[in-house]
Amino acid sequence: NAGVTQTPKFQVLKTGQSMTLQCAQDMNHNSMYWYRQDPGMGLRLIYYSASEGTTDKGEVPNGYNVSRLNKREFSLRLESAAPSQTSVYFCASSEAGLPSTEAFFGQGTRLTVV
Amino acid sequence: GQQVMQIPQYQHVQEGEDFTTYCNSSTTLSNIQWYKQRPGGHPVFLIQLVKSGEVKKQKRLTFQFGEAKKNSSLHITATQTTDVGTYFCADNTDKLIFGTGTRLQVFP
Repeated sequence: NAGVTQTPKFQVLKTGQSMTLQCAQDMNHNSMYWYRQDPGMGLRLIYYSASEGTTDKGEVPNGYNVSRLNKREFSLRLESAAPSQTSVYFCASSEAGLPSTEAFFGQGTRLTVV
Repeated sequence: GQQVMQIPQYQHVQEGEDFTTYCNSSTTLSNIQWYKQRPGGHPVFLIQLVKSGEVKKQKRLTFQFGEAKKNSSLHITATQTTDVGTYFCADNTDKLIFGTGTRLQVFP
């Protein structure tokens, strides 16, 4: 069971370039999330998707777009990368409803924008 | 908007000492989760608290949810070097919003 898989693991972009971060989960979860984590800081929610076909903004959505391609996949796109988007990006998924809605995280994508 | 603050930001302890991190919300939480992130790793779920005043234990870790459901704490008894990492609380009321985290360093 792979859990949550993110690609790529590392990426260097030049300012103004675009790229898409891929995320896939094999746990049949409805909810998926994209976070960014800057050095010494917590995880900030960029976008999330409560179910297939729906997406919603999180705390820091500016400069990003997302696509919930199907139940398994949730991609994050940077249309015109900026140095301020240098960060570690984590994708996560969870199942809605109690008793436990624990989120499972991917290994992260370390993105540097120069 | 949702805001979840954690204190302290950093904590250095000698192995064997106790450690506590506190999580405070400006709004009432429906439930709260705790995660641990090892250096260079990804967050890993520890526990979820749902009920007012709830206390849960996992070996040396004790988690508490406040009576008003606006705060929570994680207490580690007799820390070990394996406890090193950053501990996050997360508000799961609407969407999963993480606290600012407490980084724990344990010196042998």
